[in-house]
Order: sequence, then structure tokens, then C-alpha cells
Amino acid sequence: SQQGEEDPQALSIQEGENATMNCSYKTSINNLQWYRQNSGRGLVHLILIRSNEREKHSGRLRVTLDTSKKSSSLLITASRAADTASYFCATKQRAGSYQLTFGKGTKLSVIP
Amino acid sequence: DAGVIQSPRHEVTEMGQEVTLRCKPISGHNSLFWYRQTMMRGLELLIYFNNNVPIDDSGMPEDRFSAKMPNASFSTLKIQPSEPRDSAVYFCASSPTGTNYGYTFGSGTRLTVV
Repeated sequence: SQQGEEDPQALSIQEGENATMNCSYKTSINNLQWYRQNSGRGLVHLILIRSNEREKHSGRLRVTLDTSKKSSSLLITASRAADTASYFCATKQRAGSYQLTFGKGTKLSVIP
Repeated sequence: DAGVIQSPRHEVTEMGQEVTLRCKPISGHNSLFWYRQTMMRGLELLIYFNNNVPIDDSGMPEDRFSAKMPNASFSTLKIQPSEPRDSAVYFCASSPTGTNYGYTFGSGTRLTVV
């Protein structure tokens, strides 16, 4: 069953612009992760944010987590054509859990 | 490390045939997962192994699906007999055991059953 729901389903921006993708989930979590999937490839882990963290950065990526609203956002700054991919959020519900539940993803297109 | 290695990359088979997908996880990763990805259902967890032991196979759709992990460096997912609705991309992923690790995915096997 889908725990995370990404929004929007698709996003098209110009190179150099920022891209923001959102994820909402239904039950309490231990951590939330973001993955990227290029067309025809496997998923690549981008960043993990724990439930007691509010913000995390990695290069041009910024992830925020609001556990009171059960939502997270992924911001990609100064986007590049190479950022074109689908982005998925995934949640792990409790400590010791192995189950990582994925949303259906946001398809990002960065136009050169 | 070469990452998670899956084979074959593509498989086209006729309905009723047996299909075997293979996975080599990252050395030292104790957890192994098989996922299936379709447009309609997204990513679905099929089975989870920890230290080579199947822990949760509740996502395996039917008895036609089976998975094994004979050792820490090899796992197989078998479909027998295959049906057109099994057409999907099948991913293997591995991770260290523990809550705060991301998964490393293989490149997937695109299965088409005609």
C-alpha cells in the first residue's frame, strides 16, 4: 500500500530554476527518504531525514520534514538538464522496521 | 564496489514458461529486497531477506512466484508459469541491517511475457 503521496505528479521547469516536490504520508514515521530514478534505471538513494530532524542538505538538495503535517519537501536548486528524472519519497514507519514504502513519484523535466 | 548486480537486464518470454531473475547484493549488506514496479501499482515489495533468511514474503502475489537466497552473495526470483500480467520491471535492492540506511537498487530486469 502507498504510504507516501508525491505532489505534483509531473513538473516541468527551465534549467537554472528551482524545483520543489512534496510528499505527504499517513502514519507516523521513523524516517523518510528520497530517491531518484532516471528513465530505464534503478532508484538511487538521495537523502534520509529522521523523524526528529526538520531540515537536511546535500549539495543542491534541501529536504524538510514537518511531522505535525505529515509532509516533506525536496528542493533542487539551480536545476540542470541532468536532474530530469522521477523522484520518489519513501517512509520507514518505526525503528527496527525493514519495510520501506514508496510513493508513486514526481516526474521532473528540466528543459535546457 | 560494483553495486547491486541484476541479470538479465531484459527478458522476453512466452506465457507458461519459467523465468528466473538473478541478483548479487553489495558485499556486507545483510538485507535484500525484491520489488516489482508497474505504472499502475508503482513499487511493490515482494519479499525481504535478512541474513539469507526470508523474513516477509507477504508481497509475493501468487504461488507461481518463489525466491531463494542460498548464500549472502546471490538471490533468485522465479516465476513458474509466467503470465502476461507478470510483465513489469523487477528490482533487487540491498542495505545494511538497521533502520537508518537507504537502499541500493540494481538496474532492474524488464520482464515481458507474451
